[in-house]
Amino acid sequence: NAGVTQTPKFQVLKTGQSMTLQCAQDMNHEYMSWYRQDPGMGLRLIHYSVGAGITDQGEVPNGYNVSRSTTEDFPLRLLSAAPSQTSVYFCASSYSSGQGRAAFFGQGTRLTVV
Amino acid sequence: GQQLNQSPQSMFIQEGEDVSMNCTSSSIFNTWLWYKQDPGEGPVLLIALYKAGELTSNGRLTAQFGTTRKDSFLNISASIPSDVGIYFCAGYGANSKLTFGKGITLSVRP
Repeated sequence: NAGVTQTPKFQVLKTGQSMTLQCAQDMNHEYMSWYRQDPGMGLRLIHYSVGAGITDQGEVPNGYNVSRSTTEDFPLRLLSAAPSQTSVYFCASSYSSGQGRAAFFGQGTRLTVV
Repeated sequence: GQQLNQSPQSMFIQEGEDVSMNCTSSSIFNTWLWYKQDPGEGPVLLIALYKAGELTSNGRLTAQFGTTRKDSFLNISASIPSDVGIYFCAGYGANSKLTFGKGITLSVRP
């Protein structure tokens, strides 16, 4: 059982480049979300989705786009990378209600923008 | 917006000691979660709480969902070196967003 899989694990971008961080889950979870983690800031919510075709903004959405065309996948797009987007990015998934709402995380993508 | 408060930022304890952490909010949460993160890894779920007043244990860890629904507590008993890490509380509020505290870094002296 793979759980939540993020790719790539490491990435270096130049300012202005674009890229997509991939996230896939095989647990049939409705809820998926993206977080960025910076030292001393905890995990800050970027975007989230409560089901296929439905996305919404979190706390720090600027500079990021998402879409949810399938239940399994929730990619995060950086349209024009900036040094301020250097961070560790985590994807998480969970059921959307009831006793299964505990979120499970991927291993993270460590992104450096130079 | 929803915010979860965890303090202090760091805690230092002796191996074998018990340690308590709490997490507070000005908003009501209907699910509380506790995670541990090791260096270079993603957060790993420790305990999930779904009802006000609920007390749940996982080995040496015990967590409680506060009766006001605005706080939660995590206790670690008889700490060991592998308890070192960052401990996060998290919760789902009324807007369905999963919000995290800033975490507490726990150090255990042998």
